[in-house]
Amino acid sequence: GQQLNQSPQSMFIQEGEDVSMNCTSSSIFNTWLWYKQDPGEGPVLLIALYKAGELTSNGRLTAQFGITRKDSFLNISASIPSDVGIYFCAGLPGRRALTFGSGTRLQVQP
Amino acid sequence: GAVVSQHPSWVICKSGTSVKIECRSLDFQATTMFWYRQFPKQSLMLMATSNEGSKATYEQGVEKDKFLINHASLTLSTLTVTSAHPEDSSFYICSARGLGRRHTDTQYFGPGTRLTVL
Repeated sequence: GQQLNQSPQSMFIQEGEDVSMNCTSSSIFNTWLWYKQDPGEGPVLLIALYKAGELTSNGRLTAQFGITRKDSFLNISASIPSDVGIYFCAGLPGRRALTFGSGTRLQVQP
Repeated sequence: GAVVSQHPSWVICKSGTSVKIECRSLDFQATTMFWYRQFPKQSLMLMATSNEGSKATYEQGVEKDKFLINHASLTLSTLTVTSAHPEDSSFYICSARGLGRRHTDTQYFGPGTRLTVL
C-alpha cells in the first residue's frame, strides 16, 4: 500500500534535548495520527489531528497538521529516558485504513 | 483513550496447526477492525479490513483462505491463521475504529500477539 515518508529513521539524543520528526506524503489525508510503539507492544495513540493547520499539544508533545494536508510533524520537548521507542506517523485517507510511516526510532541517553 | 484487547498475547504452535487470535474493543463499539502484521524493525503492514457483519477485505498478497477473519459483533473480531508455517511467525496487531464522533476518525490498537510457529 501507499507509504508515508517519515524522517529521520533514527535519532540518538541526550536527555533534556528537544526532538523533531516529520512525515510527508504525495497524497492528501483528512486525519494525521502519531503513535508510539514500545518493543513487543501495540502502538499507543499520542496525538490526533483533524484539521489542516491544526497545532495540538499533549504534555511535552506537540504535533501539527500541515496546511497542504500532505505533511505533519511531531516535536518532543525536554526528552526523558522513557521517551525511548519507535514513533509512527499515520494518515487516514477518508474512511479507509491507516497508512503508516516507516517509523522513527528514538534513543535517549540519560 | 479507548481500549482494545488482544488474546492471546503470545502463542507458540507446531507447523500445520491453526491459531485463533481475538481482538476486542472494550469500551466502545467498533464498526471496523483492522488486522496488521509487523516484522522486526519494520512498520505495520495492513493485512485486512473487517466490517461487522460482512466479509473482510484483504490487501493484495494476503491469502484470505489462510488468514480467516470473522467480525461477528461490534466488539469482537477474530483472525485465524490456518495451517500455520514458520514463515507465518510474526507480530499480529489489531486496531479498531469506533462509532460516534469521539472515536470515528481514530484507530486504537491492541497490544499485539506474538506468533511463533515451530
